[in-house]
Amino acid sequence: EVHLVESGGSVAQPGGSQRLSCAGSGFMFDDYTIYWVRQAPGKGLEWVSFISWDGVTVSYADSVRGRFTISRDSSQNSVYLQMNSLTIEDTAFYYCTKGARRYDVVAGYFDYWGQGTLLTVSS
Amino acid sequence: SYVLTQPPSVSAAPGQSVTISCGGNHIGETSVHWYQQRPGQAPVLVLYDDIDRPSGIPERFSGSNPGSTATATLTISRVEAGDEAAYYCQVWDRTTDHPVFGGGTKLTVL
Repeated sequence: EVHLVESGGSVAQPGGSQRLSCAGSGFMFDDYTIYWVRQAPGKGLEWVSFISWDGVTVSYADSVRGRFTISRDSSQNSVYLQMNSLTIEDTAFYYCTKGARRYDVVAGYFDYWGQGTLLTVSS
Repeated sequence: SYVLTQPPSVSAAPGQSVTISCGGNHIGETSVHWYQQRPGQAPVLVLYDDIDRPSGIPERFSGSNPGSTATATLTISRVEAGDEAAYYCQVWDRTTDHPVFGGGTKLTVL
């Protein structure tokens, strides 16, 4: 059974940093692009970043480019989101989700999601 | 960047059908995917590539995305209380090479 488990969410100060982790199991982790999608309280879904199955291609939403860095570690079946220069607007549930198609960089859609981890940016 | 427009809310009584629209420029030329998000839960894929259902999704969920219109739709037949949720459409923006979500539609079951 496919599982994605996020961790690392907590309370952070404006201007601070936080690292989120996403651990995958139940599928060939190295074969799939992994995405981060966030949802501010009471708001809709916003794509944040993705890293291709081979780690070669990374992409970021304009709202986080230059502040967030995505990476993956095959040995840990994990993807990480390093978040720097946090602002109050980064407060959200952060979900990791996997692309549906193997070896796709632009996977189109997302077939499994984690339960999310909450990041609160507050002074 | 590409914008997907959904109505903020729709409602239906149990047993009725409800349609949720997703509008976008030339949306008929791309594949549309739909997610259900029940309160306090993560999103779940309910339709992909306009009309296909993942395993475990009931046939009551159907979709359309005719090339002749600027709107894709998700239709839920024989609505049940458990269908009460927010529904999001999503496409891949090939101009920017990233995914785009609609603003979401909250379905209330009366």
